[in-house]
Amino acid sequence: NAGVTQTPKFQVLKTGQSMTLQCAQDMNHEYMSWYRQDPGMGLRLIHYSVGAGITDQGEVPNGYNVSRSTTEDFPLRLLSAAPSQTSVYFCASSPRGGAQYEQYFGPGTRLTVT
Amino acid sequence: QQQVKQSPQSLIVQKGGISIINCAYENTAFDYFPWYQQFPGKGPALLIAIRPDVSEKKEGRFTISFNKSAKQFSLHIMDSQPGDSATYFCAASIQGGSEKLVFGKGTKLTVNP
Repeated sequence: NAGVTQTPKFQVLKTGQSMTLQCAQDMNHEYMSWYRQDPGMGLRLIHYSVGAGITDQGEVPNGYNVSRSTTEDFPLRLLSAAPSQTSVYFCASSPRGGAQYEQYFGPGTRLTVT
Repeated sequence: QQQVKQSPQSLIVQKGGISIINCAYENTAFDYFPWYQQFPGKGPALLIAIRPDVSEKKEGRFTISFNKSAKQFSLHIMDSQPGDSATYFCAASIQGGSEKLVFGKGTKLTVNP
């Protein structure tokens, strides 16, 4: 199993550009989530999904969209990038429908918005 | 509003010493408390977790102590090794709740040889 994969590893965007961060898992996990990690701020939940077709907002959802059309994929869309979205983004999945079990994290995408 | 407060922000320990990281929470509905370990350039990985029906859980050199009345839990790393140097995050969630895992801000641990 590849586990949780994220692409790209690094990305530089200009203010106002849009892009999609890709996340895929091959473990048939129901629960997937997106976090951003900023120095001194820990991991903050952006959006999460408890199954295909179901998504909900986390702590910091503004400026981001998600969809979950398949069990395997959970892309994160930045509609109009802003410098405040410069961060490291992690996707995670869990083998059960909730945050009560081990989260498997991907390797992260480092995004810089200029 | 930060729901899980973690301290210290950074910690330096000598090889063989004990590393202690503390977390406090306000929401008494939290009932799952994991600790994650993150090495530079990598994603976090689950280290150890506890539920409030026990006061302590030990896995090798890592121990979680849980004090329900004080709403605090801590991670103890015995015989700390340079390979333990990483950032550690505590977290909390609610069974049957909003399906959100809330993280502390992290502690950067450095173990000197």
